[in-house]
Amino acid sequence: DSGVTQTPKHLITATGQRVTLRCSPRSGDLSVYWYQQSLDQGLQFLIQYYNGEERAKGNILERFSAQQFPDLHSELNLSSLELGDSALYFCASKQGPNTEAFFGQGTRLTVV
Amino acid sequence: GQQLNQSPQSMFIQEGEDVSMNCTSSSIFNTWLWYKQDPGEGPVLLIALYKAGELTSNGRLTAQFGITRKDSFLNISASIPSDVGIYFCAGRDSGAGSYQLTFGKGTKLSVIP
Repeated sequence: DSGVTQTPKHLITATGQRVTLRCSPRSGDLSVYWYQQSLDQGLQFLIQYYNGEERAKGNILERFSAQQFPDLHSELNLSSLELGDSALYFCASKQGPNTEAFFGQGTRLTVV
Repeated sequence: GQQLNQSPQSMFIQEGEDVSMNCTSSSIFNTWLWYKQDPGEGPVLLIALYKAGELTSNGRLTAQFGITRKDSFLNISASIPSDVGIYFCAGRDSGAGSYQLTFGKGTKLSVIP
């Protein structure tokens, strides 16, 4: 158990819908990262938050957004879902610059 | 963007054999990491490398940070059935300020008892 909690574990939804994925980082970790893992692209960095503020953006679509709340949990919002958005979405958290990130178990999103 | 080429894509080995996999990059990284992912789980960190030329072991696992900072390898000695999984290399360019990771596409390891 990495200490990073992601909910839900599985999500099935229809095209055009909107979903929210939730991540609770390890206690004391200020940084949260979101990654998308698909079969053909591997693990792709989406976005990073540090202590409530956006720190870096990767290959995140405009239909996707995220935020980190004062209690440090984070949510990834995916809207106008397409079949190609089906993937595993991972959250990772880390304490600071000289530490490594721990990954949650992921949310498997299936868009039908 | 940065690309990591990880090879082989998959391998089947006999229990007890040694395994070697590697990653090469088109650009320099300041850190190389190796992760293992089991089905239905998130990646778990195996080894972290922070200096060019560094050789680090974790039990039966050994990894090296290439001198050019553009490559890394992971060796597993005397493989056992629980080594089965997908192994990912990841590089980090902390000069970008965000400490985000770039991942290889993984090496799927199967161990035949």
